[in-house]
Amino acid sequence: ETGVTQTPRHLVMGMTNKKSLKCEQHLGHNAMYWYKQSAKKPLELMFVYSLEERVENNSVPSRFSPECPNSSHLFLHLHTLQPEDSALYLCASSQGDHPGGQYFGPGTRLTVT
Amino acid sequence: AQTVTQSQPEMSVQEAETVTLSCTYDTSESNYYLFWYKQPPSRQMILVIRQEAYKQQNATENRFSVNFQKAAKSFSLKISDSQLGDTAMYFCAFSVTSDSNYQLIWGAGTKLIIKP
Repeated sequence: ETGVTQTPRHLVMGMTNKKSLKCEQHLGHNAMYWYKQSAKKPLELMFVYSLEERVENNSVPSRFSPECPNSSHLFLHLHTLQPEDSALYLCASSQGDHPGGQYFGPGTRLTVT
Repeated sequence: AQTVTQSQPEMSVQEAETVTLSCTYDTSESNYYLFWYKQPPSRQMILVIRQEAYKQQNATENRFSVNFQKAAKSFSLKISDSQLGDTAMYFCAFSVTSDSNYQLIWGAGTKLIIKP
């Protein structure tokens, strides 16, 4: 599946570091999403962008900062994370006006030490 | 509240058998879409099958089919002739048409193991 790509695939960072996750979709979609997937917990929606405007922010701590410069790219900027932020971060895209489902990238496995 | 319940945390079957994963949901909306996603050990989330709630005919996709019972708010997934590559977490989800962004409401998932 190469429609949605994510980099890096694995990231280890200290609590004082600043890093960014990148997502790129090649499907011509106009909506993009960040999810957090922790072990033994349901998938958590973090942010939704539609037409490059943020339309959802599900009470996510400010240490996570999303950026959507255009409809094909989505970033998640990370700073002063906590160990409990260690998880798989999934990016997805969809055609916002067509409920065909969301298409996911392979995820970034983040470990905060 | 809109919810999805997958009552089977884990299932295992022998290769080539048929297996059915259950899913129930709750919404007061009448127009919505239902999905099954598969997440193998690689962690890549893959859309398996989708169903429009206004369609009575059950969706099929090769060995995957659904049993959609709208009145019961049930949306089960049947996998026929199961293969080792079907081993994965399976998530049921839905989105309502009144949400212009079609955000998905997710179940907790069922871990399916196909044994050789």
